[in-house]
Amino acid sequence: DAGITQSPRYKITETGRQVTLMCHQTWSHSYMFWYRQDLGHGLRLIYYSAAADITDKGEVPDGYVVSRSKTENFPLTLESATRSQTSVYFCASSLTGGQYGYTFGSGTRLTVV
Amino acid sequence: QQQVKQSPQSLIVQKGGIPIINCAYENTAFDYFPWYQQFPGKGPALLIAIRPDVSEKKEGRFTISFNKSAKQFSLHIMDSQPGDSATYFCAAPRTSSSNTGKLIFGQGTTLQVKP
Repeated sequence: DAGITQSPRYKITETGRQVTLMCHQTWSHSYMFWYRQDLGHGLRLIYYSAAADITDKGEVPDGYVVSRSKTENFPLTLESATRSQTSVYFCASSLTGGQYGYTFGSGTRLTVV
Repeated sequence: QQQVKQSPQSLIVQKGGIPIINCAYENTAFDYFPWYQQFPGKGPALLIAIRPDVSEKKEGRFTISFNKSAKQFSLHIMDSQPGDSATYFCAAPRTSSSNTGKLIFGQGTTLQVKP
């Protein structure tokens, strides 16, 4: 199916565990993004990628790692999960960097216990 | 840190009412101001966007008004319907050296339209 898909939809993990959230898009968009959504904070940029093998930090990158070996995939890894990383995570893609808007996935709700 | 300030945080209107959501921004990398609509359990979806060579843009019942001198823009929903109940986000392009052009989002407004 065409579009942008995230997996898993829901994840519960323990403090200190490593967890990876997956994002896959079928449009060959150059740009991909990871945002977290928290009540009162809106959407905050964690990392973004302008192309395969090119990634850069957003405004809240601490505790997260990304990679982009293929254009279509942009996984987000929490190296050692903390309760403050409990959030809803959205992946997005864009043909350009933002000038024509983003297309978001359906999100992953992550709970760290 | 660059911000986009969105208000109100929540809004309740009766069916047929005209909810108005406001956003104020700081300097931006380029002129493009989108609004996103998010339903529960879904990702945000692009609703409407404006480039401020015009002061107003309409798409169906949704209108963006833009005031460049005041660095403010707003979303109006005409003849609001219960199906419009959602969270709305405004956004503006960043100007920071490492994130130029990337969208920064407002805090969101939760709209409830009562039947």
